[in-house]
Amino acid sequence: KAGVTQTPRYLIKTRGQQVTLSCSPISGHRSVSWYQQTPGQGLQFLFEYFSETQRNKGNFPGRFSGRQFSNSRSEMNVSTLELGDSALYLCASSLIWDRVSGELFFGEGSRLTVL
Amino acid sequence: ELKVEQNPLFLSMQEGKNYTIYCNYSTTSDRLYWYRQDPGKSLESLFVLLSNGAVKQEGRLMASLDTKARLSTLHITAAVHDLSATYFCAVDRGYGGSQGNLIFGKGTKLSVKP
Repeated sequence: KAGVTQTPRYLIKTRGQQVTLSCSPISGHRSVSWYQQTPGQGLQFLFEYFSETQRNKGNFPGRFSGRQFSNSRSEMNVSTLELGDSALYLCASSLIWDRVSGELFFGEGSRLTVL
Repeated sequence: ELKVEQNPLFLSMQEGKNYTIYCNYSTTSDRLYWYRQDPGKSLESLFVLLSNGAVKQEGRLMASLDTKARLSTLHITAAVHDLSATYFCAVDRGYGGSQGNLIFGKGTKLSVKP
């Protein structure tokens, strides 16, 4: 069974550019969430999607946006990149949107470097 | 505001020794996760603890949850070098019944030396 797939795995951008990252959840998973990991701030929640709807959003500026498609695949976009956006961006998927189960599976991440 | 505190943040152990990592959180939550991360890698799910008193074990790792004390522990028994990694605990905010909205601790970097 394929895991959570994130593309691209590595990318380098310059300040002011924009970037789009993609996440394909495990087959059958409908909930997708995104996290940013940096050495200074650690792991921080960006957004969560279920059935193409954003359920929750973390404390990030409006330059960070995302969406989910009908096949549960998700994308996140960062516009007007800043040096501080350099990070590992992790996508996670889960099977059920409820409070009974709970396991969250993470992809390998997209490592973004902003020069 | 929900906060998750892990201690210690750094842990150097000798092989064969036992130790415990502590995870305290500030408000009620009924779902706590433990993850392992190797350098340059993603997060590997270790345990999901869903109720007070929950205890789960996998190999040399055992996790427990006390929701009344808002405390989870990850106990390492007879450490081996392969356990060297960074361990994170995370608590689900549970806004609106959703899941996947986690607050992570800062992580405990474990180094097991021969």
